[in-house]
Amino acid sequence: QSALTQPASVSGSPGQSITISCTGTSSDVGGYNYVSWYQQHPGKAPKLMIYDVSKRPSGVSNRFSGSKSGNTASLTISGLQAEDEADYYCSSYTSSSTWVFGGGTKLTVL
Amino acid sequence: QVQLQESGPGLVKPSETLSLTCAVSGYSISSGYYWGWIRQPPGKGLEWIGSIYHSGSTYYNPSLKSRVTISVDTSKNQFSLKLSSVTAADTAVYYCARRGSSGYYWGYWGQGTLVTVSS
Repeated sequence: QSALTQPASVSGSPGQSITISCTGTSSDVGGYNYVSWYQQHPGKAPKLMIYDVSKRPSGVSNRFSGSKSGNTASLTISGLQAEDEADYYCSSYTSSSTWVFGGGTKLTVL
Repeated sequence: QVQLQESGPGLVKPSETLSLTCAVSGYSISSGYYWGWIRQPPGKGLEWIGSIYHSGSTYYNPSLKSRVTISVDTSKNQFSLKLSSVTAADTAVYYCARRGSSGYYWGYWGQGTLVTVSS
């Protein structure tokens, strides 16, 4: 299975909005509404931010939102804050009953 | 609150078998859910290794399948990972995790443990 495709880096200024894309295939992202997004700060374990494409776990800011169109999912962060600077990973369940992650995107808050 | 804690040797020699255990507290493994292992080489992205259901059904990453074994010990409320014939490419932080309560995502994670493969 191939890793999902994410941009290596994105950046934005405080208060702005950014979007991170995650492209897969019809066997993963496009085939199921089981895309999740994780935030990872240096030296820390990943933290779930979005699941089932667009659902937010309790405690996650509503500045984080998710969507999907075809084989591409997206994570949008609005009202960027310094604390949002981190690595972000998408993941999808697949038709082979496995999971696949994206390569990760480094978000820089300017 | 579900908590997971990885344990095992931090250094493994090339060609040997990496063995890690994930101790679970706050939830009984025998009650259900999928439990999994995910790794992250230094400076790189996340890679799903495999998952096990409480009943013992397993699913593995095709690229690692020939070398991976995941098992569960409900009496100790823990699950384990064995990765054979390791090389330097297996050096990584290894995380154990539990699938979320309502879907196909990893909702609970351990803090991770660094395993270095070196002679």
